Amino acid sequence: NAGVMQNPRHLVRRRGQEARLRCSPMKGHSHVYWYRQLPEEGLKFMVYLQKENIIDESGMPKERFSAEFPKEGPSILRIQQVVRGDSAAYFCASSPPTGGTGELFFGEGSRLTVL
Amino acid sequence: GDSVTQMEGPVTLSEEAFLTINCTYTATGYPSLFWYVQYPGEGLQLLLKATKADDKGSNKGFEATYRKETTSFHLEKGSVQVSDSAVYFCALSAGGNTGKLIFGQGTTLQVKP
Repeated sequence: NAGVMQNPRHLVRRRGQEARLRCSPMKGHSHVYWYRQLPEEGLKFMVYLQKENIIDESGMPKERFSAEFPKEGPSILRIQQVVRGDSAAYFCASSPPTGGTGELFFGEGSRLTVL
Repeated sequence: GDSVTQMEGPVTLSEEAFLTINCTYTATGYPSLFWYVQYPGEGLQLLLKATKADDKGSNKGFEATYRKETTSFHLEKGSVQVSDSAVYFCALSAGGNTGKLIFGQGTTLQVKP
């Protein structure tokens, strides 16, 4: 499967724990985006990364959230000290280096539940 | 700031009925416009797009026309099928970093046999 791969698909955490969500972009894609979908809402942009660089993090909460896309390995979205309001579906998307068309290729999402 | 507004759902139709899902936007400049579809348990897939005024995007029988004068991008299909049941999202990209999309809240479509 050459699509965007996210794991885990489902993650349950208790308040105060850490959540780590992983995303491997499509082969040949070097741009990664993270979006959050709260229940009954549309997707909200969080962060845009290229290899080893954060390009735009204007949608990231100021505290507890961080993202990286290392030279080797998947992109990671990390949420520290989770709270109930972090319960959501987190979608990763990728696009090729040339960009331009605006088409994003989405993974199936990671659904975080905070107890 | 830029925003997208979609008609509220759920929309329930019988098979072969005509579908319209309204989408209007607010943006500075000249955004590209998109419709994405999300089937149950899956990620979003691009359904169609339009990059400039009066463009018509089309795919799988769905169409949408970029109307600058009414700032709209309504999704239509002449005859829906049960397999079209999904959540439909309208989105815009304001240019530059085109991966930063602004989504509407989504409209759930249920098609009954």
